[in-house]
Amino acid sequence: QQQVKQSPQSLIVQKGGISIINCAYENTAFDYFPWYQQFPGKGPALLIAIRPDVSEKKEGRFTISFNKSAKQFSLHIMDSQPGDSATYFCAASFYSTFIFGSGTRLSVKP
Amino acid sequence: KAGVTQTPRYLIKTRGQQVTLSCSPISGHRSVSWYQQTPGQGLQFLFEYFSETQRNKGNFPGRFSGRQFSNSRSEMNVSTLELGDSALYLCASSLGQENSPLHFGNGTRLTVT
Repeated sequence: QQQVKQSPQSLIVQKGGISIINCAYENTAFDYFPWYQQFPGKGPALLIAIRPDVSEKKEGRFTISFNKSAKQFSLHIMDSQPGDSATYFCAASFYSTFIFGSGTRLSVKP
Repeated sequence: KAGVTQTPRYLIKTRGQQVTLSCSPISGHRSVSWYQQTPGQGLQFLFEYFSETQRNKGNFPGRFSGRQFSNSRSEMNVSTLELGDSALYLCASSLGQENSPLHFGNGTRLTVT
């Protein structure tokens, strides 16, 4: 019940395309859902986050879609760029406890 | 504002030895969490400290321990190192309140030979 399932494990997208990463959770106590971006040799950096009272949040080219009834949320990267190539982690949190997905390695081809 | 600082960046140790990793959180952050990152297991939660007290603990053996000082700086210790302890150890700080995001350091890469 504490798991967060993330898919796909890896993703290859052409420059200008849309990248979509999905996550699912079981525990309805989770009330905060951040996404992190990690480049090689660096720690994960907060990208965007959403709370379950909102169905969508957009920041620039990054959008989180949240489906509370299905217990699923996804990250959409519009107009994907080679600089977006990184590993992306979703997470679910209640209070100060964070459970991370297994990560998605995104490669954007020029 | 300075970010989360972890030292050292790289460590090579021998099986059976012990190691101490250090983390300086963002100024004003009272919570420090530690994660182990490996290619196969992703980000695994070790423990969280808040105001010098361990508030949460993950499912790791007792060889993994930590502490937090009054200035919020934290250390993590691993005793009797095993080959499987080779990983990137990440420290994250936050305000420690509900829905406070984690801010990660760049990690310490530990290699056990």
